[in-house]
Amino acid sequence: DTGVSQDPRHKITKRGQNVTFRCDPISEHNRLYWYRQTLGQGPEFLTYFQNEAQLEKSRLLSDRFSAERPKGSFSTLEIQRTEQGDSAMYLCASSFLDHYGYTFGSGTRLTVV
Amino acid sequence: DQQVKQNSPSLSVQEGRISILNCDYTNSMFDYFLWYKKYPAEGPTFLISISSIKDKNEDGRFTVFLNKSAKHLSLHIVPSQPGDSAVYFCAAASSGNTPLVFGKGTRLSVIA
Repeated sequence: DTGVSQDPRHKITKRGQNVTFRCDPISEHNRLYWYRQTLGQGPEFLTYFQNEAQLEKSRLLSDRFSAERPKGSFSTLEIQRTEQGDSAMYLCASSFLDHYGYTFGSGTRLTVV
Repeated sequence: DQQVKQNSPSLSVQEGRISILNCDYTNSMFDYFLWYKKYPAEGPTFLISISSIKDKNEDGRFTVFLNKSAKHLSLHIVPSQPGDSAVYFCAAASSGNTPLVFGKGTRLSVIA
C-alpha cells in the first residue's frame, strides 16, 4: 500500500467553476477525513466517513461543498461555484476505527482566480 | 473560538540542543492528544500521542508531557537535528471518536 493518495496535487480554477478532488485512502482503513488548511492555520475539519456513511459535517462545509464515499473506498470532495475564499490546501486522511494516528495524503492545493 | 492553541508561530534552536514546543487547550472534554509534523508540500505525519491517563510519553528523541490541570502539553525533542526542521501541529480529541482538532502550528528551525 502506498499510503493516502490525493488527486490532483494542484488545481487552478476560475471563480464560479466547479471542482472535484479525489482521495484514495489506505485500503484497510474504515475512516476517511477531509480537512482544509489555509496559510498560517492548522488543518480545519470539514467532514468524515466511516465506511460509506458520512457521520459528521463541519459548519465550514457550506452547501456548495459535497463529499461522497461510494462503496466505502475512495472519496470525492466537490466544490460548486468556487469563490476566492475557497483557495486552500485540501487534505484527506484515513485511519482505523477508534485510532487517532491519521495518515494524511499530500493534499490538493486549490487556487481560485 | 480556538480550542487548541499554539502561541509560538516559530522557534529556532541550535543543533544538539533541546526543542520545546508548547500547546494549550480549552476544551476539558479532550482526553487524547497528538503531535504531527509537516514538511513543505507534504501532508502532516503522526509523531507521538498521549492519553489523559498519562502525564508523559516517550519515543526515542521525542517526549510529550501533559499537564491536565493547566490544560497544557509540550513536545520535547532531544537532541534536536536539522532534519527536525518542520511545522509541528498539536491536535486533540475527546472520547467518542470526534475528529481531531488542530492548533495553528509552530515552525521549528534547527540550525546546524
